[in-house]
Amino acid sequence: DAEITQSPRHKITETGRQVTLACHQTWNHNNMFWYRQDLGHGLRLIHYSYGVQDTNKGEVSDGYSVSRSNTEDLPLTLESAASSQTSVYFCASGDRVGLNEQFFGPGTRLTVL
Amino acid sequence: QQQVKQSPQSLIVQKGGIPIINCAYENTAFDYFPWYQQFPGKGPALLIAIRPDVSEKKEGRFTISFNKSAKQFSLHIMDSQPGDSATYFCAASKTSGSRLTFGEGTQLTVNP
Repeated sequence: DAEITQSPRHKITETGRQVTLACHQTWNHNNMFWYRQDLGHGLRLIHYSYGVQDTNKGEVSDGYSVSRSNTEDLPLTLESAASSQTSVYFCASGDRVGLNEQFFGPGTRLTVL
Repeated sequence: QQQVKQSPQSLIVQKGGIPIINCAYENTAFDYFPWYQQFPGKGPALLIAIRPDVSEKKEGRFTISFNKSAKQFSLHIMDSQPGDSATYFCAASKTSGSRLTFGEGTQLTVNP
């Protein structure tokens, strides 16, 4: 069955370190998204991609970067982790054709000490 | 800026009650309004969605009511069950694009 996976599921890191969160989908979806979820803020879009070599900034992109070298993967990199980036991160994928449904991964809980 | 406002932040009802969650949007270009359901430790999943050409959509016990002139839409859960306890997110997007703008979420608890 097609799926979307994230790794690691839990990560603890220190301030200033570079961290990369992986996202892999097997639906062959063109569109992929990264969100962060914080209490009281819902899901906020960090970066998104509409296809290979395409990346775009979302509403909370400062301190984050992504790259899209193939259809299946959209890794999210925190260049220099900050305590404000402690959050739960969700990756999602979807198809432009249809009802814009997005399929979410199980999430990565990141703690920056 | 927050383009989709959701209320209440939390809601507690008894089994069989009808919880109602409300959302308001600002961007009149939005024309797709989904609701996502999220259980603890899981990612959100699409529950039901509506387009502005209809005022109501029903799927099982879940109903979306849509008021285009007021730029508001709401989720009603009929005969709520403890298994409906979850966080619910409303969202909005334009058909021509696939970016979703989410509300802040509502944590629903249905007591037995």
